[in-house]
Amino acid sequence: DQQVKQNSPSLSVQEGRISILNCDYTNSMFDYFLWYKKYPAEGPTFLISISSIKDKNEDGRFTVFLNKSAKHLSLHIVPSQPGDSAVYFCAAGGNTGNQFYFGTGTSLTVIP
Amino acid sequence: DVKVTQSSRYLVKRTGEKVFLECVQDMDHENMFWYRQDPGLGLRLIYFSYDVKMKEKGDIPEGYSVSREKKERFSLILESASTNQTSMYLCATLGGEFASYEQYFGPGTRLTVT
Repeated sequence: DQQVKQNSPSLSVQEGRISILNCDYTNSMFDYFLWYKKYPAEGPTFLISISSIKDKNEDGRFTVFLNKSAKHLSLHIVPSQPGDSAVYFCAAGGNTGNQFYFGTGTSLTVIP
Repeated sequence: DVKVTQSSRYLVKRTGEKVFLECVQDMDHENMFWYRQDPGLGLRLIYFSYDVKMKEKGDIPEGYSVSREKKERFSLILESASTNQTSMYLCATLGGEFASYEQYFGPGTRLTVT
């Protein structure tokens, strides 16, 4: 059973506009959430995270929002750049031992 | 910077062969993980290890085993490779002095079983 879901397999955005990637989770025990970025033929790299005691975390162009009541998080990228084109995975865990659960990924294409 | 290396970037094996995938990290992290990535399925955890000689099954351990004899090395073993094990395999670590939940991934091994 998929505990972390990314319902949009792909997203296309014009350069300079906002990209919004969404993620839903089912386990209310999760207390830490992360976003990873993956280019083809490379391993995922950490992008940004948020703990359950916060509802927003910002790092440069990247902001993650957490809505615990809706069990939903989102990643905002503003402004989007062509180099942001990649697959983005959300992950959740932290109160579940060492295991983190990953979503299925959203492929972002930023059009120049 | 944490460095996670995997023994092969691309591997082609025949059905029934025993396959070893090696992962080495240089940051003394306690936790190491093996995932497989498949289109539409994301990253799925096969096994993880939180210490030398300790291992835990993930979500899809069937057909796989692991070995962790030294802290820096975590091996994934396909006992008898099958075509449905064709996938991208990713190793990751987690830990450190300022423990956070960020995992550091290797570059991946693209395994094809024919």
